[in-house]
Amino acid sequence: KAGVTQTPRYLIKTRGQQVTLSCSPISGHRSVSWYQQTPGQGLQFLFEYFSETQRNKGNFPGRFSGRQFSNSRSEMNVSTLELGDSALYLCASTRGEFLSTDTQYFGPGTRLTVL
Amino acid sequence: AQSVSQHNHHVILSEAASLELGCNYSYGGTVNLFWYVQYPGQHLQLLLKYFSGDPLVKGIKGFEAEFIKSKFSFNLRKPSVQWSDTAEYFCAVNASEGLTGGGNKLTFGTGTQLKVEL
Repeated sequence: KAGVTQTPRYLIKTRGQQVTLSCSPISGHRSVSWYQQTPGQGLQFLFEYFSETQRNKGNFPGRFSGRQFSNSRSEMNVSTLELGDSALYLCASTRGEFLSTDTQYFGPGTRLTVL
Repeated sequence: AQSVSQHNHHVILSEAASLELGCNYSYGGTVNLFWYVQYPGQHLQLLLKYFSGDPLVKGIKGFEAEFIKSKFSFNLRKPSVQWSDTAEYFCAVNASEGLTGGGNKLTFGTGTQLKVEL
């Protein structure tokens, strides 16, 4: 069974540019969550989608946005990149609605470097 | 808002030593609790989770954790570590109150880097 896949794996951008990251969840999973991992802040929740609807959003500026498609694939977008956006962006998929009955599986991440 | 504290940021142990990593959370409602591990160069993997029932849960690779509700703690233990346990360990909490609580949102601690020496 294929795991969570994320593309691209590595990305280098310059300040002011925008970037789109993609995530394909495990087949049959309807929820996708995004996290930002940095050495200083650790793992921080960005947002979560379930059946194309954003259900939760973390404390990130509006430059960070996302969406989920009908096939459960998800994208996140960061506009007007800042140096501080350099991080590993992790996508995680969950089959159902709640973690009391489910497990969240993580992808390998997209390493974004902003110069 | 939920928060998670992991008090040990770096731990160095010799093989066969016992391990206990501390995790405390701050949330007044019902929670689901998790320990994830990230081996060098690999994805985050679930070690174990607690959502109800027996507060002592067993996970993969000989790890276990105990949920102590009165102390808001969920400490990870392993009686005898191996060199292959060298990794970063993350405690995480999910509010178990449906959508208003948190859905599938995980709040992570800052992680504990474990190094096991031969």
